[in-house]
Amino acid sequence: ETGVTQSPTHLIKTRGQQVTLRCSSQSGHNTVSWYQQALGQGPQFIFQYYREEENGRGNFPPRFSGLQFPNYSSELNVNALELDDSALYLCASSSRTGKTYEQYFGPGTRLTVT
Amino acid sequence: AQKVTQAQTEISVVEKEDVTLDCVYETRDTTYYLFWYKQPPSGELVFLIRRNSFDEQNEISGRYSWNFQKSTSSFNFTITASQVVDSAVYFCALEQGGSEKLVFGKGTKLTVNP
Repeated sequence: ETGVTQSPTHLIKTRGQQVTLRCSSQSGHNTVSWYQQALGQGPQFIFQYYREEENGRGNFPPRFSGLQFPNYSSELNVNALELDDSALYLCASSSRTGKTYEQYFGPGTRLTVT
Repeated sequence: AQKVTQAQTEISVVEKEDVTLDCVYETRDTTYYLFWYKQPPSGELVFLIRRNSFDEQNEISGRYSWNFQKSTSSFNFTITASQVVDSAVYFCALEQGGSEKLVFGKGTKLTVNP
């Protein structure tokens, strides 16, 4: 196990609703990145948080937003859900210290929008 | 723009066969990192290897080996004497140097039959 946890595991929402997904990072990791993985595709970078600040964003609309807390855990919020938002949402926590690099992915949250 | 291409969508082999998964990348950066991840049916991405752009030495880890060739922008992954447990989707990914943000290919689904 990587030590990165995500909740919930599965979620079903209706189009137009809002959803919050949560990620607890590996102990000692100060960076959290979120990815969306549609069925049959590779993960796509949504955004990254470093020490509570957004540190880069992929090609996702503003209705995708996030937060990082002082303990480095993170939330992904999606407003006005659309059918195409149905996907596996993965978070990855990472840390870069000198020459050492670690990045671990959580098990993901599978979101279904109906 | 950065791009990763995994031309093989699906590969099926019989146990004990060797199999090579291809990965071709595009980047204008001189410093970058290449990764391979394994995604079993459970969904969690399992880190296999990270290689920086300045290190073209091939690497071997047990039955796994990686061939990095900057001249052809390729980072291929070979499994020797494949086993049923190797069945999974394998992703190649590219990270712009130091960003910790990954660009993934679409993945290759490997099925190893007994």
